Amino acid sequence: DAGITQSPRHKVTETGTPVTLRCHQTENHRYMYWYRQDPGHGLRLIHYSYGVKDTDKGEVSDGYSVSRSKTEDFLLTLESATSSQTSVYFCAISVPQGAGEYGYTFGSGTRLTVV
Amino acid sequence: QQQVKQSPQSLIVQKGGISIINCAYENTAFDYFPWYQQFPGKGPALLIAIRPDVSEKKEGRFTISFNKSAKQFSLHIMDSQPGDSATYFCAAGVLNKFYFGSGTKLNVKP
Repeated sequence: DAGITQSPRHKVTETGTPVTLRCHQTENHRYMYWYRQDPGHGLRLIHYSYGVKDTDKGEVSDGYSVSRSKTEDFLLTLESATSSQTSVYFCAISVPQGAGEYGYTFGSGTRLTVV
Repeated sequence: QQQVKQSPQSLIVQKGGISIINCAYENTAFDYFPWYQQFPGKGPALLIAIRPDVSEKKEGRFTISFNKSAKQFSLHIMDSQPGDSATYFCAAGVLNKFYFGSGTKLNVKP
């Protein structure tokens, strides 16, 4: 594996509380991503980063913020969690596959439940 | 608006049969089309990918067929095995930014 870990693996939180999910990589890759996975929707991009302090919005960024102060860490924050944010969250890094090709390596996911 | 449309949502195939999953996209700027395989409780893993300058790419039992004019691409799994039972996602994108289909849950019956 490319050395990508997510924490926590599971979390239950109450509506209205802030939540931060962490993604850590060990291989110094430039691009990092946060996706959420929901039945019937596949994987939807929340935010992504193309370098330290360089981030941009994805398809479903409302209610989420991100920070990347170091190459290896990409944090996703739910400022005030809502039940609609109950989901499985995946972090990914873009890894060269050789010959000009590339692909994502995903973490193991964080299952977040907002009650 | 969904950038990538995937079908079918679920698929049941007998062992040894051919599994076919289809995807369509709208954005002609997309220049890379990967497929991912996901087992329960795990993150998706890259399976195979294709660029639009080729019409077919084969790796073992997995083949991507690409139709640029129709803006469609498909995954064929030959000689499907029970171990192939998983959820498959197509994706399309450019410049390290990808959009994913909604997924196909494949069940290969022994």
